[in-house]
Formats: sequence, structure tokens, C-alpha cells
Amino acid sequence: GAGVSQSPSNKVTEKGKDVELRCDPISGHTALYWYRQSLGQGLEFLIYFQGNSAPDKSGLPSDRFSAERTGGSVSTLTIQRTQQEDSAVYLCASSFSRNEQFFGPGTRLTVL
Amino acid sequence: EDQVTQSPEALRLQEGESSSLNCSYTVSGLRGLFWYRQDPGKGPEFLFTLYSAGEEKEKERLKATLTKKESFLHITAPKPEDSATYLCAVLGSGSRLTFGEGTQLTVNP
Repeated sequence: GAGVSQSPSNKVTEKGKDVELRCDPISGHTALYWYRQSLGQGLEFLIYFQGNSAPDKSGLPSDRFSAERTGGSVSTLTIQRTQQEDSAVYLCASSFSRNEQFFGPGTRLTVL
Repeated sequence: EDQVTQSPEALRLQEGESSSLNCSYTVSGLRGLFWYRQDPGKGPEFLFTLYSAGEEKEKERLKATLTKKESFLHITAPKPEDSATYLCAVLGSGSRLTFGEGTQLTVNP
């Protein structure tokens, strides 16, 4: 079956612009996660959605970052007023409940 | 706070030369330890989940084991296509996975 998909695969933007990153999870998966992977560093948790529960936003690095999940499926991660330190690969994962997480290919964000 | 440390950071092997990767962890209430493989430019690919000390799982040339403080990923007779970064992660009492920084494995023909 189809895996997790993310779009765009690459995004180049100018400092100060807003960006939206999209994630389509595996059908039927109730949990959705966003991570950030910076060059030479491990994956950093950003936010977690589980069903209709309030999301766990404790990993968001600043109030410029926000995310929503519509209809329990597609999720959008928004970064406002982008900064150069936001440059990274943003990975989305989904899982059934809290079991194994399956990752998408990521969106490589470059802020000039 | 959950912590994961992987060693070595990088490992270079000759084809057929078996070895092990280490993942040391501290976690409050382990709910699972996960191994992933990540190829350049791609998202992590799920390999194994281990839930309790003493558990072992195998897949082709890979075998993962778990103790109360660490996990090992044993690679038997590796091939060049096994070259990748191997990531270890733990799920504790919270909702997030905590990842190590990975071991970059290179297998030379």
C-alpha cells in the first residue's frame, strides 16, 4: 500500500517568508508526528497528533512553528517568518496508535 | 529525560566482515526500542521493535538484541548494499520517540 507522502520534496525560501509543508499519512494510521533533522544531528521531535486528542506541541522550537491536522488525516506544518536556522529536513511519520512509526521521504527546507 | 547514545559514529567494514552497532539508552518506562535504516536523501526505514530485555529479532543479515541498558544491531557478513545510517530510538512513557544520532555504516566491496 501507499506509504507516507510529503510535499514539496524541496523548498527554497527567503528569510522572513512563511512556508507550509504537507504530510499525507498512511491510511488508517491514527497517530502523526513531525520531526526535524538538521545536518549531522539526530531527529528532533516537533509535534504529535493522536486521533481527536489535543496535540503534543512540546517539541516546537518557537511560536513561529505551528501545525494542524485536518479530518484526522492530512497535516500541515507552517513556519512563519523563516530564519536561516530553520533550514533542515522536515520528516513526517505516522503510526497505528503508538506502535512503529513509518516515515515519509521528508521535505528539505533551505532558507536563504 | 530520555537519552539515546549510539556508537560508533561511523564504521567502515569490508564485505563479509561482521560487526555490531551499539545503542545505549536511559528511559523512564521503556515502551519500545526501535531500529531504523536511513539512506541519503530518504526518510528512515523501519527495521525492528524490541520491547523487553532478552528479546531478539532478525531480518536477513541483521539481528537486534536488547538488554536493560543497551541494544545491539549485529550485522553478519555485510554487503555493500547494507551501507546506510542506522538509527536507534526509544519510546518511553511520553508520546515521542527519542533518537540517537546514528551510526554511519560503509561496507566496501
